[in-house]
Amino acid sequence: GAGVSQSPSNKVTEKGKDVELRCDPISGHTALYWYRQSLGQGLEFLIYFQGNSAPDKSGLPSDRFSAERTGGSVSTLTIQRTQQEDSAVYLCASSPGTTHSYEQYFGPGTRLTVT
Amino acid sequence: SQKIEQNSEALNIQEGKTATLTCNYTNYSPAYLQWYRQDPGRGPVFLLLIRENEKEKRKERLKVTFDTTLKQSLFHITASQPADSATYLCALDHSGNTPLVFGKGTRLSVIA
Repeated sequence: GAGVSQSPSNKVTEKGKDVELRCDPISGHTALYWYRQSLGQGLEFLIYFQGNSAPDKSGLPSDRFSAERTGGSVSTLTIQRTQQEDSAVYLCASSPGTTHSYEQYFGPGTRLTVT
Repeated sequence: SQKIEQNSEALNIQEGKTATLTCNYTNYSPAYLQWYRQDPGRGPVFLLLIRENEKEKRKERLKVTFDTTLKQSLFHITASQPADSATYLCALDHSGNTPLVFGKGTRLSVIA
């Protein structure tokens, strides 16, 4: 079946612009995660959605970052007033479980370059 | 906060040998530990999950061990093949109620 998809695959933007990254999770998965991966660094947790519960935003690095998940499915990560340090690969993952102990299925990522 | 160290950034091994990757953690013992494989330009792919009360888990040529005394997990690939070349990530989950913490990964190269 279809896996997790993300769009765009690459995004180049100028410093100060806003960007929106999209994630389509696997159908039926209640959990959705956003991560950031910089060169040579591990995956950095950003935000977690589980069903209709309030999202866990504890990993968002600043108030320029926000995310929504509409209808319990598609999610959008928005970065306002982008900075060069925001350049990274942004990964989305979905999971069938109701806790963090379940395996996660990752999308291919969006490579964001801020010039 | 939890800190994870994966034994080295890169590991080179001859085809047919057993590759052993290490994941060490500090502070509290995780309830679950997961291993993922990541190829260049791709998202991580789940491989194995081991619980704190399990000593060992196997899947085909893969084996994971979990030693809560040493605060360490070992990931073994037996009869390694060039197609096993990738970055392997370990990830820890304290209780199921906190997000996974990922290590930086070990880049494995299997040389024919």
